[in-house]
Amino acid sequence: GNSVTQMEGPVTLSEEAFLTINCTYTATGYPSLFWYVQYPGEGLQLLLKATKADDKGSNKGFEATYRKETTSFHLEKGSVQVSDSAVYFCAALSGGSYIPTFGRGTSLIVHP
Amino acid sequence: GAVVSQHPSWVICKSGTSVKIECRSLDFQATTMFWYRQFPKQSLMLMATSNEGSKATYEQGVEKDKFLINHASLTLSTLTVTSAHPEDSSFYICSAPGQGISPLHFGNGTRLTVT
Repeated sequence: GNSVTQMEGPVTLSEEAFLTINCTYTATGYPSLFWYVQYPGEGLQLLLKATKADDKGSNKGFEATYRKETTSFHLEKGSVQVSDSAVYFCAALSGGSYIPTFGRGTSLIVHP
Repeated sequence: GAVVSQHPSWVICKSGTSVKIECRSLDFQATTMFWYRQFPKQSLMLMATSNEGSKATYEQGVEKDKFLINHASLTLSTLTVTSAHPEDSSFYICSAPGQGISPLHFGNGTRLTVT
């Protein structure tokens, strides 16, 4: 089956800093890749996705590029805000399934 | 977009009692729903798959007699934590297969505290 590895958190940044949260995956074939965000006390929301190699998903200033050669899908944002404080989950989904494999989540804390 | 409604958002109960959590798909039908448990330090654990009209499928290590799942209709799944104990305190999240670009739509979760 698939597996997803995320960097350990928490990641603590000052407002307007550059963000990278690393995510790598192992899978048979070419899975679709996702980033979900969980704000405090809430469920998960889809942030962005990419379905094939070299695709770039983007939303709300966040970006991630599907890198087949490094089996990675790192999340980046050029300038974080306090409101971006949340837990971010990387996930992989192979064809024929609708249950993604989630990473352990990375907590992001942004200070004013 | 597709919405999954989960209720209650939080509940406190005494040890030994049972608690029911509801998960509804709004504006779409879900023959399958998923129940997750979220532990401290964020990790998500898939507990079971709820199937309309048939028995739920439990993941290894999840006690089916402790966590009763009923998929009563095409829009409603319930999780009942029976004879709750403090170690059952956790954040429980339901989800349904996606409509549109997301493979899963999630409810907002239920914070269960057993005293």
